Amino acid sequence: EDQVTQSPEALRLQEGESSSLNCSYTVSGLRGLFWYRQDPGKGPEFLFTLYSAGEEKEKERLKATLTKKESFLHITAPKPEDSATYLCAVQAGGGSNYKLTFGKGTLLTVNP
Amino acid sequence: GAGVSQSPRYKVAKRGQDVALRCDPISGHVSLFWYQQALGQGPEFLTYFQNEAQLDKSGLPSDRFFAERPEGSVSTLKIQRTQQEDSAVYLCASSLAFGTQYFGPGTRLTVL
Repeated sequence: EDQVTQSPEALRLQEGESSSLNCSYTVSGLRGLFWYRQDPGKGPEFLFTLYSAGEEKEKERLKATLTKKESFLHITAPKPEDSATYLCAVQAGGGSNYKLTFGKGTLLTVNP
Repeated sequence: GAGVSQSPRYKVAKRGQDVALRCDPISGHVSLFWYQQALGQGPEFLTYFQNEAQLDKSGLPSDRFFAERPEGSVSTLKIQRTQQEDSAVYLCASSLAFGTQYFGPGTRLTVL
């Protein structure tokens, strides 16, 4: 059974204080690992897809990296508007079901 | 451009009532997914369509849950005889085959 564990559950940062969120996973053949951002009362908003170990992607203050067992979402010099819940999900390879298995998320709060 | 839309955004039902939740996917997206998100949790897979074919319904929690996508576009998730444990946010996502899934805003269902 595919599993995703995110840590920490909650993280509080001061504006400008860089940090990382962790996503550990077990999956029967990884097709892709996805990061989403979710604001209160809204649906998840797509950030990144990573497909193979060693891959990195960046977008503004965010950088996602992938190894064979985990992914990190690095946040550099965060701003209050980066406050949200960050969700990690995996999509297993093989078969024709492309469902995502999500972790519980990390609630990030950035204080001004 | 238009994203995934869902209606209603909020639904309050009395226990035992039937409800129907609608999802309009992004035009041209062949894959459509339904997820259930409990408070403080990540989304959990319910069911998956490729065009009009329901390829996986293994995540539906009971036979009170039923989903359809008769013309391969709009989808409806129906819950019969609602129970309090059905209270959650129901998210719809669409994608091009196995690509990135784009989520709608969700329908928050409250069963009294």
